[in-house]
Amino acid sequence: LAKTTQPISMDSYEGQEVNITCSHNNIATNDYITWYQQFPSQGPRFIIQGYKTKVTNEVASLFIPADRKSSTLSLPRVSLSDTAVYYCLVGDDTGGFKTIFGAGTRLFVKA
Amino acid sequence: NAGVTQTPKFRILKIGQSMTLQCTQDMNHNYMYWYRQDPGMGLKLIYYSVGAGITDKGEVPNGYNVSRSTTEDFPLRLELAAPSQTSVYFCASLRLAEPHNEQFFGPGTRLTVL
Repeated sequence: LAKTTQPISMDSYEGQEVNITCSHNNIATNDYITWYQQFPSQGPRFIIQGYKTKVTNEVASLFIPADRKSSTLSLPRVSLSDTAVYYCLVGDDTGGFKTIFGAGTRLFVKA
Repeated sequence: NAGVTQTPKFRILKIGQSMTLQCTQDMNHNYMYWYRQDPGMGLKLIYYSVGAGITDKGEVPNGYNVSRSTTEDFPLRLELAAPSQTSVYFCASLRLAEPHNEQFFGPGTRLTVL
């Protein structure tokens, strides 16, 4: 399973765009990159998943460079309610879908 | 669909006691997981299952046991509870589908061992 490295914490202000980068230097060919969000006292919830280039949905964008050794989660115009922990996961189905969460990035959005 | 449900929500155990954390999902997912989350930390995988009758260890399996007799249920058993098992426990199931695979988490069980 590829190891991931993320910043421990980030601060932002309401209305700003936030970019959280995840490093995964030993990503395998079959690996996908998935991001989850966790609010206090709740289980994580899926945000976005991608394999290469750019993926966008209604809440975020995921940018993956050609070498796939890193990825960037982009949250447009954050609000106070985006204060949460964000986890980057890398994996595929060859390991029986065994998933490893790292420590995540704590995002604090200020007014 | 109720999704993933967990019981109990809270529990206090004495050292040496045992208990079973219940987890049920109604989405017919084959893959299920148990995680623990210590205060201020990320999630650590305890056990996972790829289908009824099949389970495997995760990162931190010591002190725990699981079984998977049905697709819906994936109970986690704590034998001889220790203070180090004080944590929040999350159960999850995995949907395999296009365009992406996604884990669905239960609300968690907050366990304190005194």
